Amino acid sequence: EDQVTQSPEALRLQEGESSSLNCSYTVSGLRGLFWYRQDPGKGPEFLFTLYSAGEEKEKERLKATLTKKESFLHITAPKPEDSATYLCAVRTLMYSGGGADGLTFGKGTHLIIQP
Amino acid sequence: NAGVTQTPKFQVLKTGQSMTLQCAQDMNHEYMSWYRQDPGMGLRLIHYSVGAGITDQGEVPNGYNVSRSTTEDFPLRLLSAAPSQTSVYFCASSSRALNTEAFFGQGTRLTVV
Repeated sequence: EDQVTQSPEALRLQEGESSSLNCSYTVSGLRGLFWYRQDPGKGPEFLFTLYSAGEEKEKERLKATLTKKESFLHITAPKPEDSATYLCAVRTLMYSGGGADGLTFGKGTHLIIQP
Repeated sequence: NAGVTQTPKFQVLKTGQSMTLQCAQDMNHEYMSWYRQDPGMGLRLIHYSVGAGITDQGEVPNGYNVSRSTTEDFPLRLLSAAPSQTSVYFCASSSRALNTEAFFGQGTRLTVV
């Protein structure tokens, strides 16, 4: 069974205090790892996709990395507007196969950046 | 550029009532799916579709029905609402190509009393 575990569940940082969020996964046949940001009352918003171990992607203060067992979302010098829940998801074959694939999500990390 | 549109945004139902949550996308995506999000549980897949006329069950399909008569639309039907179906529902669409992301709607917050 595919599993995605995110840690920590919640993280409170001071503005400018860098840190990392972890996403560890156990899947059969990874077809991509995705990071999403979710603001309260909104749908998940796509941030990054990673596919190969060693791959890195950057966007403003965020950097995502991937190994064979986990992914990290590094946040450098965060600002209060970076406060959100960050979701990790893996794209794998669906339960009934048939060539379809879908997303298995972790429970998310709730990040708060204090001014 | 609308993306994925869900209606309604909020709904209150009485136990036993039925209703349909609407989802439409304008990106010509083959894949569409429905998730529910509950506190402490993360997003869980209810049903999905790989194209018009093709649907299948996800992780938590009981009590829900779907159909896909067009590429654009993927409605989710609650047959007889139960308090356990109180949740936030998200519709998503994506391309079949690998490494392409899923786009999500804004969600429907459903309360069953």
